[in-house]
Amino acid sequence: SQQGEEDPQALSIQEGENATMNCSYKTSINNLQWYRQNSGRGLVHLILIRSNEREKHSGRLRVTLDTSKKSSSLLITASRAADTASYFCATDAIWDSWGKLQFGAGTQVVVTP
Amino acid sequence: EAQVTQNPRYLITVTGKKLTVTCSQNMNHEYMSWYRQDPGLGLRQIYYSMNVEVTDKGDVPEGYKVSRKEKRNFPLILESPSPNQTSLYFCASSSDGEQYFGPGTRLTVT
Repeated sequence: SQQGEEDPQALSIQEGENATMNCSYKTSINNLQWYRQNSGRGLVHLILIRSNEREKHSGRLRVTLDTSKKSSSLLITASRAADTASYFCATDAIWDSWGKLQFGAGTQVVVTP
Repeated sequence: EAQVTQNPRYLITVTGKKLTVTCSQNMNHEYMSWYRQDPGLGLRQIYYSMNVEVTDKGDVPEGYKVSRKEKRNFPLILESPSPNQTSLYFCASSSDGEQYFGPGTRLTVT
């Protein structure tokens, strides 16, 4: 079963706008990660946030984690056409080994010039 | 260059014909994993390995086998492929949670 579910499923924005996507999960976790996938290619790691962290930044990315609501958000600021991709959250449940990751179905982001 | 490689990248085969997809990493990572990706379902973990000779089932292990005889290699074996194993497969490795993914293997079973 899927642990993480992203929302929205698809997002279309213009260059320069911010893109926000959310991830909800079902069980207590050790950490949550966000990945990007360009069409048909391998996933690229963006950011990892641990269960005791609430917010993390990396360049134009901002990730928040609310463990009480079992949810996370990924914000991409000042989006560019190169940000067009699918974005996935991944979690490892607290009772599983950290190697057992579960991914959501992803949010497809299209950034138009 | 640090990377995860998979071979083959594309494979079309017939039902029942055993096949192996190789995965190799050059980062000395202890952890390796296999996923399949299907439309609308995201990535689902097939098997993972925490170290040499240590493997464990993910969420969808049925119909697959793996082995981890060396740290750098983690082959995925389909003993008797079926059409429902048609998918895009990814191998990944990690040392601290952040996973490095291979380029993918697109498998079609007819």
